[in-house]
Amino acid sequence: QQQVKQSPQSLIVQKGGISIINCAYENTAFDYFPWYQQFPGKGPALLIAIRPDVSEKKEGRFTISFNKSAKQFSLHIMDSQPGDSATYFCAASMGQGGSEKLVFGKGTKLTVNP
Amino acid sequence: DAGITQSPRHKVTETGTPVTLRCHQTENHRYMYWYRQDPGHGLRLIHYSYGVKDTDKGEVSDGYSVSRSKTEDFLLTLESATSSQTSVYFCAISLAGSYEQYFGPGTRLTVT
Repeated sequence: QQQVKQSPQSLIVQKGGISIINCAYENTAFDYFPWYQQFPGKGPALLIAIRPDVSEKKEGRFTISFNKSAKQFSLHIMDSQPGDSATYFCAASMGQGGSEKLVFGKGTKLTVNP
Repeated sequence: DAGITQSPRHKVTETGTPVTLRCHQTENHRYMYWYRQDPGHGLRLIHYSYGVKDTDKGEVSDGYSVSRSKTEDFLLTLESATSSQTSVYFCAISLAGSYEQYFGPGTRLTVT
């Protein structure tokens, strides 16, 4: 049973456009929702994360929108750049911090065309 | 890379042979994790550790064992490798009291 569903599997965006990746979760006990960025041959890198007590978090061109009632959260990349081309993973976990068991979505391969 | 190294970075082995992957961290983090990454599956937790000699199973632990005799090292062992264990393996750490996990560079394992 997949606990975090991510869509789309792949996304092609023009330079300067907005990239939007969506995730939905089932377990209402989840209380931490990070996004990871992964370049080929590298480990995933923590990009941005949100807790369910806020509806939006912005860091530079990256924004997480969170809808607790719908059990959905999304990553928005504004002014997308070719350097943003990577695979993005959403994840969710619960706990008290420190021994988190992250549950990942299956990933979205983003291509930003110049 | 949060001071995490993984060794080897690449390995090819034959079905039925034992394999041990090593994760080494230099910053005394208490929590360490092993994930595997497969196309179409994202990352899945194999085992994790919350201290020396303290480990627990994750989502896909069958066929894997772990050991942690020192804070800095977390070992993942495939007792008898199978082709289904061909994957990229990532180690991660998190700080006590923090939700954030940081990943190592990965080990690509091929079982022929």
